[in-house]
Amino acid sequence: GENVEQHPSTLSVQEGDSAVIKCTYSDSASNYFPWYKQELGKRPQLIIDIRSNVGEKKDQRIAVTLNKTAKHFSLHITETQPEDSAVYFCAASKVNRDDKIIFGKGTRLHILP
Amino acid sequence: NAGVTQTPKFQVLKTGQSMTLQCAQDMNHNSMYWYRQDPGMGLRLIYYSASEGTTDKGEVPNGYNVSRLNKREFSLRLESAAPSQTSVYFCASTLSGVGTYNEQFFGPGTRLTVL
Repeated sequence: GENVEQHPSTLSVQEGDSAVIKCTYSDSASNYFPWYKQELGKRPQLIIDIRSNVGEKKDQRIAVTLNKTAKHFSLHITETQPEDSAVYFCAASKVNRDDKIIFGKGTRLHILP
Repeated sequence: NAGVTQTPKFQVLKTGQSMTLQCAQDMNHNSMYWYRQDPGMGLRLIYYSASEGTTDKGEVPNGYNVSRLNKREFSLRLESAAPSQTSVYFCASTLSGVGTYNEQFFGPGTRLTVL
């Protein structure tokens, strides 16, 4: 089955700097890669996603890149702010009726003042 | 539109007790999921239901059973709770279906402690 590896497990960056989180997946049939943000004590929420027919997607300060050949994808957060402090999860899925979403183990991002 | 709701929010059980976690969604989603979240382990899939009337095992199904009662409701049962089942449990749902991309909507979670 699908396996998603996520690195690093913890990341500290100075406010205003950029943060990068990387994930790899094992199943070449996966074609949908969402990223979820989970604030302390809250539920995970989708922040951005990318489909396998696209190499990059941006939404304001966040962007995701996908390299299908290497089977890895990354989340980039620019101009980090205190409210970016959270746990971020990458995931991989196949688009069909019985698909599952397999999550990475998460990255705890700390934004330092 | 309440989205995904879960009950209870907190629960403390003794080893060997049983309980059912309830989940409901009002978004007319086809697929529903149960995850557990432990520190450093991310979200691990326990069971899922791709459509009403079907259920399938996920990564960590042992010690759990599920029921897809109807399209809206998906319950998780612990028959004989063990301390290893202490965790935060999240229910989620997606529209799913051919050609749809599966954003998952999560419930608020249930924090379960087994003594």
